[in-house]
Amino acid sequence: GEDVEQSLFLSVREGDSSVINCTYTDSSSTYLYWYKQEPGAGLQLLTYIFSNMDMKQDQRLTVLLNKKDKHLSLRIADTQTGDSAIYFCAESVYTGTASKLTFGTGTRLQVTL
Amino acid sequence: EADIYQTPRYLVIGTGKKITLECSQTMGHDKMYWYQQDPGMELHLIHYSYGVNSTEKGDLSSESTVSRIRTEHFPLTLESARPSHTSQYLCASSDPSGANVLTFGAGSRLTVL
Repeated sequence: GEDVEQSLFLSVREGDSSVINCTYTDSSSTYLYWYKQEPGAGLQLLTYIFSNMDMKQDQRLTVLLNKKDKHLSLRIADTQTGDSAIYFCAESVYTGTASKLTFGTGTRLQVTL
Repeated sequence: EADIYQTPRYLVIGTGKKITLECSQTMGHDKMYWYQQDPGMELHLIHYSYGVNSTEKGDLSSESTVSRIRTEHFPLTLESARPSHTSQYLCASSDPSGANVLTFGAGSRLTVL
């Protein structure tokens, strides 16, 4: 079955880079995503990557995908206090009749001054 | 600007009350979802719908029920609320493209006393 795992907590200093990691088990993933959740809010899509890509860059965000190791990472360059939030990775797997999304457990990013 | 709306944002009620959490989207998406989010952050899919008059139970068993009479509306109902139903409930819809990107509402935080 699908299982998506993340470390629970990451603390970085403002201006440093943050790297949030995620591992998944289903090798038939079609898309992988990163969502951000700020306090009291829903999840907001940050970026997603198609499973046949290795890397995607979008301004301060870099997504790396290692399909062999089933490992996904999100790098945030020049981390700001506004980046403090919970980050969820997710994978989409096509089951034959529909696409099913499985979320990771979430990583709480704390940015300190 | 939110394209998916949830009401109420916060609700505190007594045990045994019937409640309905509203969710509406203006994007014309056929697919809609309800997630329950633990205090420990993890998201659990409790209901989904692939179109009008289609509803399915998700991965996590829930005593709530849903209906989908109109494309834009996907309400969730608890007939008799209990303290164990205290949680954050997130509604989402997904675009019809292959990327299956979910757009989330801001959530409804339910507290049952």
